[in-house]
Amino acid sequence: KQEVTQIPAALSVPEGENLVLNCSFTDSAIYNLQWFRQDPGKGLTSLLLIQSSQREQTSGRLNASLDKSSGRSTLYIAASQPGDSATYLCAPATSYDKVIFGPGTSLSVIP
Amino acid sequence: GAVVSQHPSRVICKSGTSVKIECRSLDFQATTMFWYRQFPKQSLMLMATSNEGSKATYEQGVEKDKFLINHASLTLSTLTVTSAHPEDSSFYICSARVTKQAFFGQGTRLTVV
Repeated sequence: KQEVTQIPAALSVPEGENLVLNCSFTDSAIYNLQWFRQDPGKGLTSLLLIQSSQREQTSGRLNASLDKSSGRSTLYIAASQPGDSATYLCAPATSYDKVIFGPGTSLSVIP
Repeated sequence: GAVVSQHPSRVICKSGTSVKIECRSLDFQATTMFWYRQFPKQSLMLMATSNEGSKATYEQGVEKDKFLINHASLTLSTLTVTSAHPEDSSFYICSARVTKQAFFGQGTRLTVV
């Protein structure tokens, strides 16, 4: 059974800082891994999708890396902004074609 | 990307009544859809896998008689919360996959009073 952990659980940083969110998963037999953003009381926004054969993906100020063999992924956010404040969810897709979510990292960027 | 539409976005119902939530794939066909539940300040938990034309597969601990799932067409899956109670109040969200990427509906905030 896939288990996903995310560190840190919460993070508060001043605007402009670069930051790294960490994700670990126990079953390395994944098809891909997605990073999502969830604003309070809202649905999910897909940020990045990394295929199992890829090492990283970039979109704007976001960069996600994947080390499938060690069961780890990181989300790097450059030059953080107050609008980045949200909960970030790591979600590997397992061999049973399901997306399993981590508990999330709650990010607060202070102006 | 593909669009998954979920309706309603918010619903308030009285305890003991049933509530139906719809999940539609607007521009693609989905033989499989997934239903998740999220309690306040917690992550999303997979409830069940909805299979077109066959019975849903429920995760351990999810009551199949309480959470009825119907996937009657390739573009529509429904989740019915039967005899709802206040503890069923939660955020429910559906998902469908297109070429291995998951797309999510907007979610439904259910409040049972």
